[in-house]
Amino acid sequence: DTGVSQNPRHKITKRGQNVTFRCDPISEHNRLYWYRQTLGQGPEFLTYFQNEAQLEKSRLLSDRFSAERPKGSFSTLEIQRTEQGDSAMYLCASRKLRDTGELFFGEGSRLTVL
Amino acid sequence: AQTVTQSQPEMSVQEAETVTLSCTYDTSESDYYLFWYKQPPSRQMILVIRQEAYKQQNATENRFSVNFQKAAKSFSLKISDSQLGDAAMYFCAYRSAEVVGSGDKLTFGTGTRLAVRP
Repeated sequence: DTGVSQNPRHKITKRGQNVTFRCDPISEHNRLYWYRQTLGQGPEFLTYFQNEAQLEKSRLLSDRFSAERPKGSFSTLEIQRTEQGDSAMYLCASRKLRDTGELFFGEGSRLTVL
Repeated sequence: AQTVTQSQPEMSVQEAETVTLSCTYDTSESDYYLFWYKQPPSRQMILVIRQEAYKQQNATENRFSVNFQKAAKSFSLKISDSQLGDAAMYFCAYRSAEVVGSGDKLTFGTGTRLAVRP
């Protein structure tokens, strides 16, 4: 098991373009989370899944953001019509439902919107 | 809504010495978990230590220990015998343990950057 994997690690895009990030959680983990982290701040919750069901979305997740976990395994986070304010590190984390509550984080996908 | 406050943006400690990082939180819930996470530069966040609110005994993990004061809503992290590899951002985080509550998510503080001087 290699842990939580995120791709791409870095993405530079122009304002108005669409971007998609992928997260592969630890295989037996049924909960998957997306967080956003801007410079000098702690991670902010965006959304989470239990298996393929999206159970909660933050108000931070505008209608330009969409997340999916179609088969309950990997997840994608798509940002449409990117804005400069979307520049951040997007973190994915996973955990088993009934455990100590520890989240296992990926290394993140850094988005820069020019 | 729960909030987590880390009032020390940066801290510095001499190698082999002890340092304490502060964290306070605000909640109306009685059952919850508290965590300290470490984020080394350009590496993923890893769990340092966790504390269940219903446990009075402070959690300890090797050189890391916490001082959990539930009434004061304080949760500080003590690092003993500091090592160069302890240099990182440290985040305090809160998670509700209640079924009907703030949901299954972590609320993080803004972090404390710890430098370790050789």
